[in-house]
Amino acid sequence: AQKITQTQPGMFVQEKEAVTLDCTYDTSDPSYGLFWYKQPSSGEMIFLIYQGSYDQQNATEGRYSLNFQKARKSANLVISASQLGDSAMYFCAMREGATSNTGKLIFGQGTTLQVKP
Amino acid sequence: GAGVSQSPRYKVAKRGQDVALRCDPISGHVSLFWYQQALGQGPEFLTYFQNEAQLDKSGLPSDRFFAERPEGSVSTLKIQRTQQEDSAVYLCASSLPGLVQWGQFFGPGTRLTVL
Repeated sequence: AQKITQTQPGMFVQEKEAVTLDCTYDTSDPSYGLFWYKQPSSGEMIFLIYQGSYDQQNATEGRYSLNFQKARKSANLVISASQLGDSAMYFCAMREGATSNTGKLIFGQGTTLQVKP
Repeated sequence: GAGVSQSPRYKVAKRGQDVALRCDPISGHVSLFWYQQALGQGPEFLTYFQNEAQLDKSGLPSDRFFAERPEGSVSTLKIQRTQQEDSAVYLCASSLPGLVQWGQFFGPGTRLTVL
């Protein structure tokens, strides 16, 4: 069965510094997609970044990058130059299939990030 | 609208009441998902529609939960005889099969409190 593990319930980071949020996953399917979502206190789920299992390069989106280590089954999110608005809950999620967008998402437990001024 | 909308945003029900939660997906999105998010937890899959067909309902926790999408657009999640353990945020998401790298677009959720 597919599983996502986020081992950091809470993290603190100083404003303008970088922070890494950990995510490991478990699947026997060679084709899958990995996502990171941000959920502020207002509740909406905001898509941040995507990595497909067949992608050769690590994904980047602005200040967000994904450190994808396939052999270790890890997909850590790196946020550079943290801002106060980055304070939120962050979820790692996995979808069955890297070439179709019809699979359900399996979410981790989340990591709460607090950015200190 | 431009995004996924859900109504009501908040619902308080007495134990034993039936509730209906509505989801309006992004226009043209054929895939629609429902998730349940307990306080402080990650969302958990409930059910999936492709157009009007309910292709996966493996996550529905009991036969008190029922979802429909009769015309392939708006969906309703119905919970009969609500229990306190049903208290959660119910998230709806929609997607297009070909937009692999975008995943699912989520609505703001409906927060259900069962007293």
